Amino acid sequence: DVKVTQSSRYLVKRTGEKVFLECVQDMDHENMFWYRQDPGLGLRLIYFSYDVKMKEKGDIPEGYSVSREKKERFSLILESASTNQTSMYLCASSLIGGQGIAGELFFGEGSRLTVL
Amino acid sequence: AQSVTQLDSQVPVFEEAPVELRCNYSSSVSVYLFWYVQYPNQGLQLLLKYLSGSTLVKGINGFEAEFNKSQTSFHLRKPSVHISDTAEYFCAVSDRNNAGNMLTFGGGTRLMVKP
Repeated sequence: DVKVTQSSRYLVKRTGEKVFLECVQDMDHENMFWYRQDPGLGLRLIYFSYDVKMKEKGDIPEGYSVSREKKERFSLILESASTNQTSMYLCASSLIGGQGIAGELFFGEGSRLTVL
Repeated sequence: AQSVTQLDSQVPVFEEAPVELRCNYSSSVSVYLFWYVQYPNQGLQLLLKYLSGSTLVKGINGFEAEFNKSQTSFHLRKPSVHISDTAEYFCAVSDRNNAGNMLTFGGGTRLMVKP
């Protein structure tokens, strides 16, 4: 089975802190994604990557950056956390093209970030 | 740009009753359609998908969905729900003409199955 592991399930940070969210997948998937999940808004794409060192902005990239130095690892960075970034963050991976022609994304369990 | 509307944010239902979760999307161009499920404290997993062919799609755990092109809908149904079906369900769509096949998600429907 594909496994997508997010390093932290729950984080509490203070406004202005730098935050790193780590994601690792074990199935050699080319594509990796970071989503933000908020009640009533569904999932919104922050950034995605289709190859090592490659990244593309999603729908809401402001306030975030990403890093993909190795194929299996995709990191989301909040340079200076703000209270409006309190949310659930989901990492996902897929095997082929864009978000996968078959649309099958494999998700991690999520990281719930609270910014005080 | 695509948009996906899940008409009900919450659906309470008694165990063994039938359920329908509604999903409409904005574009009439050719699309791929998906339903994902998120159980409490877990990530999302694929429930079923429509790529082409038969408009009635069967998924895991007894769920099925019907693609209706004229109504731009992809409603999810189950004839008899179980307590274990309590979860949040997300409809998603991607545009076949978009080389990136980017998924757009709806806002989610929380299914609450009561004993």
